[in-house]
Amino acid sequence: DVKVTQSSRYLVKRTGEKVFLECVQDMDHENMFWYRQDPGLGLRLIYFSYDVKMKEKGDIPEGYSVSREKKERFSLILESASTNQTSMYLCASSSGLAGISGANVLTFGAGSRLTVL
Amino acid sequence: AQKVTQAQTEISVVEKEDVTLDCVYETRDTTYYLFWYKQPPSGELVFLIRRNSFDEQNEISGRYSWNFQKSTSSFNFTITASQVVDSAVYFCALPENAGNMLTFGGGTRLMVKP
Repeated sequence: DVKVTQSSRYLVKRTGEKVFLECVQDMDHENMFWYRQDPGLGLRLIYFSYDVKMKEKGDIPEGYSVSREKKERFSLILESASTNQTSMYLCASSSGLAGISGANVLTFGAGSRLTVL
Repeated sequence: AQKVTQAQTEISVVEKEDVTLDCVYETRDTTYYLFWYKQPPSGELVFLIRRNSFDEQNEISGRYSWNFQKSTSSFNFTITASQVVDSAVYFCALPENAGNMLTFGGGTRLMVKP
């Protein structure tokens, strides 16, 4: 089974702290994603990556950065955490480009719930 | 840009009732896919179904069924004889960026009471 593991389920940080959220997948997937989940807003894409050292902005990249130094690992970084970044963060991965298959199935991790005080 | 609307934010039913979760979408693509995911209390989204716009036949999988109507841009999900284990948040999603990423609706929280 594809496994996407997020290192921390719950984090509590203070305003202004630097926060790292780590995500590792074990199925050699090319694509990795960071989504943010808020009640009523569904999942919103922060950043995604098609390959090592490659990243593209999603719908809400402001206040976030990412790092993908190895294929299996995709990190989300909050340079200076703010209270409005209190949320559930979900990492996902998928295999290759959708191409003729039409659309990729994403596999998700269990989420990291971040509280910024 | 793609848009997915799930107008029902929360639904509560009693066990064994049937329940339908609505999903309405907007897309400029002539062919496309639609997805449903389930998020149980554990937090991990679980893939339920991917459906191609070419195929408007209803899909049935056990107690789950999906009704895709291109004319009304809807892809509704029905659970028959609901069970407590069906309690979860359900998301409808539409691919974009050539299918490489998903746009999600706001989700519907389903609570099934014993």
